[in-house]
Amino acid sequence: QQQVKQSPQSLIVQKGGISIINCAYENTAFDYFPWYQQFPGKGPALLIAIRPDVSEKKEGRFTISFNKSAKQFSLHIMDSQPGDSATYFCAATSSGTGNQFYFGTGTSLTVIP
Amino acid sequence: GAGVSQSPSNKVTEKGKDVELRCDPISGHTALYWYRQSLGQGLEFLIYFQGNSAPDKSGLPSDRFSAERTGGSVSTLTIQRTQQEDSAVYLCASSPRRLAGVNEQFFGPGTRLTVL
Repeated sequence: QQQVKQSPQSLIVQKGGISIINCAYENTAFDYFPWYQQFPGKGPALLIAIRPDVSEKKEGRFTISFNKSAKQFSLHIMDSQPGDSATYFCAATSSGTGNQFYFGTGTSLTVIP
Repeated sequence: GAGVSQSPSNKVTEKGKDVELRCDPISGHTALYWYRQSLGQGLEFLIYFQGNSAPDKSGLPSDRFSAERTGGSVSTLTIQRTQQEDSAVYLCASSPRRLAGVNEQFFGPGTRLTVL
């Protein structure tokens, strides 16, 4: 059973546009929601993360929006650039256990110049 | 400093053979994870080591899979009698000592396993 559901599977955006990737979860014990960025041939790298005590977190062009009541969170990439082309994974875990991260299936983002 | 390293980067093997995949975590990191990444799938948790505690093996898909971590550092994932469905990228991640809450995972580049 997929603990974290991610959509879309792939996304094509024009340079300068906004990329939006969505994730949903069921386990209310989850209290840490990271996003990872993965380039071909590389391992995933932490991009940005949020805890449910805030509804939004922004780091540069990357923003996480969090809706606790809907159990959804999303990644917004503003002013998307070709260098942002990568696969993005959302994840969730509970700090009470902290040892198991549940990952979404990934979104392949292509930013067209 | 050096990140997580994995070897080999690519491994092609014949069905039925055993393979060993190696992970060198970041020095000082006490937690180590193995994941499997299949095409079009997310990261599937396999096993977790934390210090000297008994590993969490709940994600291992079958008894053909095993892992060990020697001296609290290097880890080896062994797949016996490989099957074609074992073909995937195997990722290792390490994390510093967990004081409270969640610690970030640092991933290696992965080993791409192809079973013919």
